[in-house]
Amino acid sequence: GENVEQHPSTLSVQEGDSAVIKCTYSDSASNYFPWYKQELGKRPQLIIDIRSNVGEKKDQRIAVTLNKTAKHFSLHITETQPEDSAVYFCAASIGGQFYFGTGTSLTVIP
Amino acid sequence: DTAVSQTPKYLVTQMGNDKSIKCEQNLGHDTMYWYKQDSKKFLKIMFSYNNKELIINETVPNRFSPKSPDKAHLNLHINSLELGDSAVYFCASSQGWDRGTEAFFGQGTRLTVV
Repeated sequence: GENVEQHPSTLSVQEGDSAVIKCTYSDSASNYFPWYKQELGKRPQLIIDIRSNVGEKKDQRIAVTLNKTAKHFSLHITETQPEDSAVYFCAASIGGQFYFGTGTSLTVIP
Repeated sequence: DTAVSQTPKYLVTQMGNDKSIKCEQNLGHDTMYWYKQDSKKFLKIMFSYNNKELIINETVPNRFSPKSPDKAHLNLHINSLELGDSAVYFCASSQGWDRGTEAFFGQGTRLTVV
């Protein structure tokens, strides 16, 4: 099956700085890559996604890039705010199945 | 209006007991999932159902048995609970198999086995 690796596992940034989380996947047939944010005690919620026919997507302070050749994708958060503090999960979807990375705990220091 | 709802939210039970978690989605989705999130926050797929049919069972012990009475419901029954079953269980749904659309998660059920 698909194997998704995610780095770093923890990330601390100063408020206003940028944060980058990177993921790699193993199965070239994966065609959909969502990113989820999970606040403490809450459910994972989609923040941005990208499909395999797109290289980059941006939504305000959040952007995702996809390199199909290298089989890696990244989440970029600019101008971080304390409310961005959460666990972030990348995922790769193949055939309707979602395979999640191991999560990145992001702390934004005011 | 909750899109994916699970009950109960918290479940504390003794080892050896049998328990069920219920999940319902009102999004009209064809595909539903059960995920287990352990203390390290890893989200591990347990089961995937499409149109009430089991698609994938990811090396889950036989003590776990999902049941989908209709497309909107996917319940999880667990027999002979063990300490290692303590985790948060998330139900999720998506539009359809291989549609390339997001999965919506329920609020989770925190299961504690004592």
